[in-house]
Amino acid sequence: TQLLEQSPQFLSIQEGENLTVYCNSSSVFSSLQWYRQEPGEGPVLLVTVVTGGEVKKLKRLTFQFGDARKDSSLHITAAQPGDTGLYLCAGVVVGGTSYGKLTFGQGTILTVHP
Amino acid sequence: GAVVSQHPSRVICKSGTSVKIECRSLDFQATTMFWYRQFPKQSLMLMATSNEGSKATYEQGVEKDKFLINHASLTLSTLTVTSAHPEDSSFYICSASRPGANVLTFGAGSRLTVL
Repeated sequence: TQLLEQSPQFLSIQEGENLTVYCNSSSVFSSLQWYRQEPGEGPVLLVTVVTGGEVKKLKRLTFQFGDARKDSSLHITAAQPGDTGLYLCAGVVVGGTSYGKLTFGQGTILTVHP
Repeated sequence: GAVVSQHPSRVICKSGTSVKIECRSLDFQATTMFWYRQFPKQSLMLMATSNEGSKATYEQGVEKDKFLINHASLTLSTLTVTSAHPEDSSFYICSASRPGANVLTFGAGSRLTVL
């Protein structure tokens, strides 16, 4: 059973479209991170959310953390080809033994066509 | 910012040989580092937690005798894939966090291909 359910797993859209990626769990997370990874590279942190109901914006990216801290979403407005990549959500379950022991979602492969 | 370096970035070896991958924290000391495995177009799977000066903690299903982890200093952890076979071919990534910081930094990964 996947602790963090991420959807969709694949997303292929045209430049200029909007999209949303979801991460859901039945567990409560003390914090949740979103990463972006390009082929042959390690994941790069985009944002960390820690407070239930929190919304963070990073240019055209909007991140939300659910009130109950069990789910999160990433919304991209007016997607560009440079947004193409693998997006990963990852979190630390409440009561986890160490911060670094992240639980990852399955990932979303986003392809933005010019 | 915190920088984590992995070496080599790519390695090709023959079946039956052992391969060592290094993970270094360049500008900070890391008592704990993490090793992940990633298959193409899939997410990261935590293999083990590397603890400086003590034994690594392996995740369920990961063979400790197959994937040897050594964290001999506060800036270096190594993952050795012993007697590698084609099914061990994968992208291996490490991560570490600066003490007191709640942010993980990932290495750029090491692509292992076993022929």
